[in-house]
Amino acid sequence: KAGVTQTPRYLIKTRGQQVTLSCSPISGHRSVSWYQQTPGQGLQFLFEYFSETQRNKGNFPGRFSGRQFSNSRSEMNVSTLELGDSALYLCASSPWGEGNQPQHFGDGTRLSIL
Amino acid sequence: GNSVTQMEGPVTLSEEAFLTINCTYTATGYPSLFWYVQYPGEGLQLLLKATKADDKGSNKGFEATYRKETTSFHLEKGSVQVSDSAVYFCALTLNYGGSQGNLIFGKGTKLSVKP
Repeated sequence: KAGVTQTPRYLIKTRGQQVTLSCSPISGHRSVSWYQQTPGQGLQFLFEYFSETQRNKGNFPGRFSGRQFSNSRSEMNVSTLELGDSALYLCASSPWGEGNQPQHFGDGTRLSIL
Repeated sequence: GNSVTQMEGPVTLSEEAFLTINCTYTATGYPSLFWYVQYPGEGLQLLLKATKADDKGSNKGFEATYRKETTSFHLEKGSVQVSDSAVYFCALTLNYGGSQGNLIFGKGTKLSVKP
């Protein structure tokens, strides 16, 4: 069974640009969550999507947005990039409606802002 | 608020030594608890989980017991190997409805095992 796939693995952008990251969940998983990992702040929750709807949101500015498609694939977008957005962005998938199931993570997209 | 506190690293051990990484939590309600491991250049892998008080999660020689009275979920392994070198994260989630909820992570503990 294929795992969570994130593309691209690495990305370099400059301040002010925008970026879109992609995540394909494990087959059959309908919930997708996004996390930001930085050395200073650690792992922080961005948002969770299920059935093409945002179900849960972390404490990030509106520059961070996401969406989910009917096949459960998800994208996240960051607009007007800032130096502090340099991070590893991790996507995780899990079943919906089955309590206490763990989230399964992809290898992440490393975003560097110059 | 809900939070996870785990021991500061890095932790350096010799092969076959005993490992303990402390983790305590603060949560409203009844969380599920997890240990995840991250190898260099990779995402997080679930190591073990426990969903209610007194549950013991175990995997690959690692164990952790959900202690509600001490709000703890300490990770232990009797004999570490060089291949166990990684960063370990303790995490909790408060499930609601069908969602798994968002994971709340500790800061991570880097483990280095020397031959």
